[in-house]
Amino acid sequence: RKEVEQDPGPFNVPEGATVAFNCTYSNSASQSFFWYRQDCRKEPKLLMSVYSSGNEDGRFTAQLNRASQYISLLIRDSKLSDSATYLCVVNGPLKLSFGAGTTVTVRA
Amino acid sequence: GAVVSQHPSWVICKSGTSVKIECRSLDFQATTMFWYRQFPKQSLMLMATSNEGSKATYEQGVEKDKFLINHASLTLSTLTVTSAHPEDSSFYICSAEAGGPTDTQYFGPGTRLTVL
Repeated sequence: RKEVEQDPGPFNVPEGATVAFNCTYSNSASQSFFWYRQDCRKEPKLLMSVYSSGNEDGRFTAQLNRASQYISLLIRDSKLSDSATYLCVVNGPLKLSFGAGTTVTVRA
Repeated sequence: GAVVSQHPSWVICKSGTSVKIECRSLDFQATTMFWYRQFPKQSLMLMATSNEGSKATYEQGVEKDKFLINHASLTLSTLTVTSAHPEDSSFYICSAEAGGPTDTQYFGPGTRLTVL
C-alpha cells in the first residue's frame, strides 16, 4: 500500500464551482499534513498546512480526519488560476511522503 | 517565505557525462536539504536527505555512487549525476527545511535533465 494515495482526477469544473477531493495516508503516527500546489513543469508550492481542527485560507478549506486517516481540500468559487495539480503531503517518521497529485482543471 | 534556488534550471547532456545541480537556500540556513526526482505524472520520490557536514542518507534503491551529494555549507547542497544515461532523464527538485514546528519544506524551482 502506498504511503499517500490520491485520486488522480482530473476534476474538470466550471469557473465558480466548488471542487473537493481527498487523500488517504497509511501511517497513523503521522503528525503534519500539507497541501501543495504544483503547476506543470514547476516545483511544488505550499498551499496550506492542515491542522487537526480544520482550517480555511480564503477559498480553500482543509480538513483532517485522523480516525479514517484522510485529509481533504475544498476549493470554493473556483478560478481559472486554480488549475493545477494538488499534492497531498504527509510528514512521516523520517521524511515527507507525497501523493501523486490530483489534477484540477477549471474551465471558463 | 523562504526562497530556495536551483541551478541550472534545465540541462541537456550526452550519455556518459556527469551533471552537477546546485541547490541554495537564499535567505535562511538549512541544516537539512532533500533531493527528489519526479517522472511525468508521478509523485515526487525522495532520493536522499542531505545534512550539512555529514554524509547523505540515501533512500532504498538510489545508488549513492551514481548520485553524489555534497552539503558543504548551511546554504548549499549539490547533486552530481555521474555517467548519466537516458533513464536518468527526469525533473530533479531540491528542498530545504526552514525549521520551526511545522517542518515546512521549501522547494527549489527544479532542474529538468535530459540525457540523450
